Amino acid sequence: SQTIHQWPATLVQPVGSPLSLECTVEGTSNPNLYWYRQAAGRGLQLLFYSVGIGQISSEVPQNLSASRPQDRQFILSSKKLLLSDSGFYLCAWSVRWDTGDGYTFGSGTRLTVV
Amino acid sequence: EDQVTQSPEALRLQEGESSSLNCSYTVSGLRGLFWYRQDPGKGPEFLFTLYSAGEEKEKERLKATLTKKESFLHITAPKPEDSATYLCAVQGSNDYKLSFGAGTTVTVRA
Repeated sequence: SQTIHQWPATLVQPVGSPLSLECTVEGTSNPNLYWYRQAAGRGLQLLFYSVGIGQISSEVPQNLSASRPQDRQFILSSKKLLLSDSGFYLCAWSVRWDTGDGYTFGSGTRLTVV
Repeated sequence: EDQVTQSPEALRLQEGESSSLNCSYTVSGLRGLFWYRQDPGKGPEFLFTLYSAGEEKEKERLKATLTKKESFLHITAPKPEDSATYLCAVQGSNDYKLSFGAGTTVTVRA
């Protein structure tokens, strides 16, 4: 069966510090991968998605970047965090985007920038 | 752009008191409408996918229905363990992404 791992679960970082969040998927090949951010009282906002190694599409211009160095690994990064980067970050995967099967989400990372 | 509006924002129920959550959407050609359950501090957990108007799906005390403009999640005789935030999302026929509503937070008191 397929599983998705996301870490760390919580993170407190000072403003201006770098960020690296990691997500890995097991039990499948060539998954579509997604990074979402969830703010309190608002819907999930898609940040990045990837359909293959090295292929990254950005949804929202921001202080963050994403990379996919391996087939089942997706990394969210920042060189210098802002207060506004605080939030709940979720990684998700799907088999394909056009099958209507929806996504499977990881357990999330709560990021607090202080 | 796809839009999803969920109501109410919060719902407080007594154990056994049935109710419904609403998800109104606008999308250019529906590929799928999705319901997720999210517990505090956790990632969303998949519940249902609905593909066309008139479709219904059930799981334990939950039943999801779909029309051309909205979806309902009916909770029958809820228990305290049904307390969670329920998220609705849609995917358009030409979209690669799911667009989410803000969710309805359900609290069931014993």
